[in-house]
Amino acid sequence: GENVEQHPSTLSVQEGDSAVIKCTYSDSASNYFPWYKQELGKRPQLIIDIRSNVGEKKDQRIAVTLNKTAKHFSLHITETQPEDSAVYFCAASPMNYGGSQGNLIFGKGTKLSVKP
Amino acid sequence: EPEVTQTPSHQVTQMGQEVILRCVPISNHLYFYWYRQILGQKVEFLVSFYNNEISEKSEIFDDQFSVERPDGSNFTLKIRSTKLEDSAMYFCASRTDRDRYGYTFGSGTRLTVV
Repeated sequence: GENVEQHPSTLSVQEGDSAVIKCTYSDSASNYFPWYKQELGKRPQLIIDIRSNVGEKKDQRIAVTLNKTAKHFSLHITETQPEDSAVYFCAASPMNYGGSQGNLIFGKGTKLSVKP
Repeated sequence: EPEVTQTPSHQVTQMGQEVILRCVPISNHLYFYWYRQILGQKVEFLVSFYNNEISEKSEIFDDQFSVERPDGSNFTLKIRSTKLEDSAMYFCASRTDRDRYGYTFGSGTRLTVV
């Protein structure tokens, strides 16, 4: 089955700096790669996602890149702010592949701390 | 913005007891899921449900677990005989249709087994 590795487990940056979180996946059938932000005690919130037919997607300060050949994808946050502090999870899914209904396999998370 | 609603927010139960966790997905969504998150760990897939039947389930989802959509709106997860290691946050999620991949997660039920 799918296995998602995520690095680093913790990341501390100064406000205004960029943050990069990287994930690798194992199953070439995976075609959907969302990123979730989770604040303490709260639900995961989808912040950006990418499908395997594109290599990059951007939404304001957040961007995701996907390298299908190498089976890795990354989250980039620019101009970080203290409110970006949270745990970020990557995930992979073989959405609709072989009848799959899109179960997400998550990475272990990255705790991002943005220091003012 | 529509929400996935989960009740209760926190449930404490004794080991060996049955619990039912309840979810009301967004009304026009067709795909439903349960995930769990042990404190401080990653989110883990339990089961997916579509067209009134289980589509996929993980190794975690053994015979102690069952799901139901009894009345077309509620989506429930039952744990028959709870164990200490079932203590976790349980999240329900739903998505609208085959071509829209984004999930909406509920706010979760924290289950504590004592």
